Amino acid sequence: DGGITQSPKYLFRKEGQNVTLSCEQNLNHDAMYWYRQDPGQGLRLIYYSQIVNDFQKGDIAEGYSVSREKKESFPLTVTSAQKNPTAFYLCASSIGGRQDGYTFGSGTRLTVV
Amino acid sequence: QKEVEQDPGPLSVPEGAIVSLNCTYSNSAFQYFMWYRQYSRKGPELLMYTYSSGNKEDGRFTAQVDKSSKYISLFIRDSQPSDSATYLCAMSVTGGGNKLTFGTGTQLKVEL
Repeated sequence: DGGITQSPKYLFRKEGQNVTLSCEQNLNHDAMYWYRQDPGQGLRLIYYSQIVNDFQKGDIAEGYSVSREKKESFPLTVTSAQKNPTAFYLCASSIGGRQDGYTFGSGTRLTVV
Repeated sequence: QKEVEQDPGPLSVPEGAIVSLNCTYSNSAFQYFMWYRQYSRKGPELLMYTYSSGNKEDGRFTAQVDKSSKYISLFIRDSQPSDSATYLCAMSVTGGGNKLTFGTGTQLKVEL
């Protein structure tokens, strides 16, 4: 079955650490996205990529970094510069090149300890 | 003011009720409108997709878009306990690289 796989499901980070969240899709989608979800704030766009080796900042990119070396993969690194990283992180993909709905992964819950 | 406004709820209804969920928006350039359903600790799943104004029906679900009022709705008929979830509206502009702007979500609980 095609879909998006996010791992790990739960992640704990110590102060000052960088952590990387994995996102892999086998839908042959061109575009991929990272969102952060906090209670009462909905989904906020962190980064998105419409094609391999290219990505753009979203609304809240500070303290995050991404790479898009393969079509199937779009990992997100939460750096120590992100002061409030505790949140639910969602990866999504879409066909790209047209207005379409997203397919979402099941999310990673990151907690700072 | 947010571009997309959505009442967070929670909204509690009895089984079998008709549910109305709504979003308002301020950007008149939005042309594509979607509703997502999100169960607790899961990723959202696409429920309905509508282009421009009008109605779209799929089973127990009906999506309405009124662009003149900048108002969209999702109706759920014969609601079931399995409909208990958070419902997110989302919208995008033409040529916007398919970037979606989401509402904050409305939490719905359908009780037996």
